[in-house]
Amino acid sequence: NAGVTQTPKFRVLKTGQSMTLLCAQDMNHEYMYWYRQDPGMGLRLIHYSVGEGTTAKGEVPDGYNVSRLKKQNFLLGLESAAPSQTSVYFCASSGGQPRTEAFFGQGTRLTVV
Amino acid sequence: GDSVTQMEGPVTLSEEAFLTINCTYTATGYPSLFWYVQYPGEGLQLLLKATKADDKGSNKGFEATYRKETTSFHLEKGSVQVSDSAVYFCAPRGSSNTGKLIFGQGTTLQVKP
Repeated sequence: NAGVTQTPKFRVLKTGQSMTLLCAQDMNHEYMYWYRQDPGMGLRLIHYSVGEGTTAKGEVPDGYNVSRLKKQNFLLGLESAAPSQTSVYFCASSGGQPRTEAFFGQGTRLTVV
Repeated sequence: GDSVTQMEGPVTLSEEAFLTINCTYTATGYPSLFWYVQYPGEGLQLLLKATKADDKGSNKGFEATYRKETTSFHLEKGSVQVSDSAVYFCAPRGSSNTGKLIFGQGTTLQVKP
């Protein structure tokens, strides 16, 4: 049972390059999330989705775009990477009921040089 | 919107010491409350949860009680072990079901032998 899988696990980008982070879940969850984790900043919500074809902005959406074309996948795009986007990115998914917990991927460590 | 305030870390304890990590929250409606743990190099995983007032969530010797009157969900453990060294996150999930899921800034716990 894979749960939440993030691809890739590590990546180094040059400033101005673009990339897409893929998140896949096999639990038929309605909700999916992208977070970034920086030292001393905790987890900050970038974008989230409450269902296939829907997306919404979180706390720190600038510089990122997302898409949820299929229920099981949630893509995070960086169109023009900046050093400030160096971070560890986590994807999570959850069921639609408030009492259900979130499941997290293992993270993607992104360095922008 | 939902928000959460966690005790600032890092917290450094000796093995077998008593642990308390404070968490207070604001959330819409009648939230469910969660504690997640992040071990080094991993994503977050659920530690325990409580879904109604006065409920006590427990797991691996950790406990937290849902205190609606004080909007708190403090994490406790009677005797910590070196293996408990991790980052702990408190997370309310509001009953309005907007889908947004936010976390506290995390509290780093280091347990020394």
